[in-house]
Amino acid sequence: GESVGLHLPTLSVQEGDNSIINCAYSNSASDYFIWYKQESGKGPQFIIDIRSNMDKRQGQRVTVLLNKTVKHLSLQIAATQPGDSAVYFCAETFGNMLTFGGGTRLMVKP
Amino acid sequence: GAVVSQHPSRVICKSGTSVKIECRSLDFQATTMFWYRQFPKQSLMLMATSNEGSKATYEQGVEKDKFLINHASLTLSTLTVTSAHPEDSSFYICSARDFRRSNTEAFFGQGTRLTVV
Repeated sequence: GESVGLHLPTLSVQEGDNSIINCAYSNSASDYFIWYKQESGKGPQFIIDIRSNMDKRQGQRVTVLLNKTVKHLSLQIAATQPGDSAVYFCAETFGNMLTFGGGTRLMVKP
Repeated sequence: GAVVSQHPSRVICKSGTSVKIECRSLDFQATTMFWYRQFPKQSLMLMATSNEGSKATYEQGVEKDKFLINHASLTLSTLTVTSAHPEDSSFYICSARDFRRSNTEAFFGQGTRLTVV
């Protein structure tokens, strides 16, 4: 795995603002990327995914951007809500390997 | 979305005993299951990858005799923490994926909070 012993950075945003969470991935051969949301004491939940042949994908209130040149992934959340408060992880896959990035804690202020 | 059921959600055991955690894919067949460990306020650390019917592949630093993984069917994988010690206390999470379908996400169980006393 790539993420060993990393403490999570925190992003604090005002309710209603847009949030941008960034992730650097490690394997230039990774072909599929996923963003997960993890609430306290629970397992990760799928948010959105993107293939390596795309650079942008939009969902409901969320957008994922992929920059393969610099191995960077971002998650944009529009009109952030209190229920969006959680830890967000990106994950990359290559073959049957699924490894996680370091994660970011999103805190939404009312 | 697909459902992965992980059991138990919480377990407290005495030091020296063994604990088994089950991970089941309820509505799809999981060709590959992953086991992760997560310490408080940290990311998920991949422990091992198991393919149905074959031995698990362990990440560097993970003791295979300590963390026994069995993936006997396409819907069930188990992780057994043998001779548990307090330092094994952690949040363990499984995930499952069907690699026969292209570009499928991995679905996660709800995690197991293990406390060794």
